[in-house]
Formats: sequence, structure tokens, C-alpha cells
Amino acid sequence: QLQLQESGPGLVKPSETLSLTCTVSGGSISSSSYYWGWIRQPPGKGLEWIGSIYYSGSTYYNPSLKSRVTISVDTSKNQFSLKLSSVTAADTAVYYCARHFIGYDILTGYYFGWFDPWGQGTLVTVSS
Amino acid sequence: SYELTQPPSVSVSPGQTARITCSADALPKQYAYWYQQKPGQAPVLVIYKDSERPSGIPERFSGSSSGTTVTLTISGVQAEDEADYYCQSADSSGTWVFGGGTKLTVL
Repeated sequence: QLQLQESGPGLVKPSETLSLTCTVSGGSISSSSYYWGWIRQPPGKGLEWIGSIYYSGSTYYNPSLKSRVTISVDTSKNQFSLKLSSVTAADTAVYYCARHFIGYDILTGYYFGWFDPWGQGTLVTVSS
Repeated sequence: SYELTQPPSVSVSPGQTARITCSADALPKQYAYWYQQKPGQAPVLVIYKDSERPSGIPERFSGSSSGTTVTLTISGVQAEDEADYYCQSADSSGTWVFGGGTKLTVL
């Protein structure tokens, strides 16, 4: 059974870089069918997709965060990572990693895809 | 930017049918997905590609699509179904979007 586990500091200072790692177990991150994604949820608020990466390094980023986000993959460790720079209090959230199935419908010109399963999430607080 | 609109809350009595809607202009051309999130837990996929149910999800969960609106239907609601529900879709540029979420209260 595929499982994902987030890890990293729970407290980051304003203006610094948030760094998290997601470790995949029970399956290979090099699977040809899936991307691997990061999603966050501020306390008491909704979900926001951050970005996703393929094992080859191909990425999709949320345009609203793209200038501050870097997602990378380490296939030898079956891990992928998130870096978010210049953080502020608005970046305080529970950060989830998830397997991301991505497809493209050439007839409609739209992407499609879903997130399943998800890690348990890790709370990152931005505060001095 | 692409937006998905959900009602903030829906209330239903046990045994009744709950319907949660999600609307967006592009939905006729785009699949929608639904997630259930219970307090303190990660979201769980309950419907994919508008109406498909992943293995392990009870049959009382179903999805449908009509025009610019997709609907998650929970038949015979149980107390354990009380949760936040999020719809999700994607746009033509490779951006994945979530609705604002709907809190389902079982009275």
C-alpha cells in the first residue's frame, strides 16, 4: 500500500526558506504513470495546490506561487522536496504531499488529474 | 483565474440525501473530483472523473455532472459522513484548483 510522509521543520522565520521532504513507501516514485504533488491548507481555510513533479524532473507550478517555489525529486531515496522562499505569516499552513495523476485531453485542450493518496500533513508555522 | 464555487455549508438529517454542488464555467469540458476531509485528517478522494468511485469508498457516495455544475451526492447519510468536502479540477494551462469547501453537518 502506497504511503507518503512529510518531514521538515515546523517553524520557519519570516523571509527565510521553507523546506519539506516527502518520502514515498510501498511503491516507486519512478512510476511512469504519476506525478508527485504538494498541497497546503492554512489553518481553518481551504486547500491550495502548490506544484507537482515527475520523476524525470518535469514540473507544474501554481502561477500564484511559481516565483517562490522549487520542487525537486531524488529517485535514489524515493523522495521529493519542496522549497518555498521568502516566507511570510501567510505561508503558515499544513503542507501535504500526494501522488498526482495527470492527463491531458487533446480534444478539449484541458488537463485533468487527481490527488491520491495523501500524506498525513505537517504544520509549518512562519514566525520570528 | 479558474475558480470553483461551492456552498459553504450543507445540513442534512441522518438517513437523508445530501447534495453538494460545485460550479465553474469550464466544467462542461473538464472533469471534477471530490475529496472528504475530516477534522485533523488528510483529504481522501471519494469521486474522480465526475462520477467514478475509488475502491473502498462506500456506494452511497456518487457524483454527477450537468452543464457548469457537478454534484456530489451522499445517499443515506451517516453520522460518520460529517466532514468538509472539496471539489477539484484543472484548467487548460496545467493549474490544479480546489473549490472553497463545503462543511457537511449531520443533524
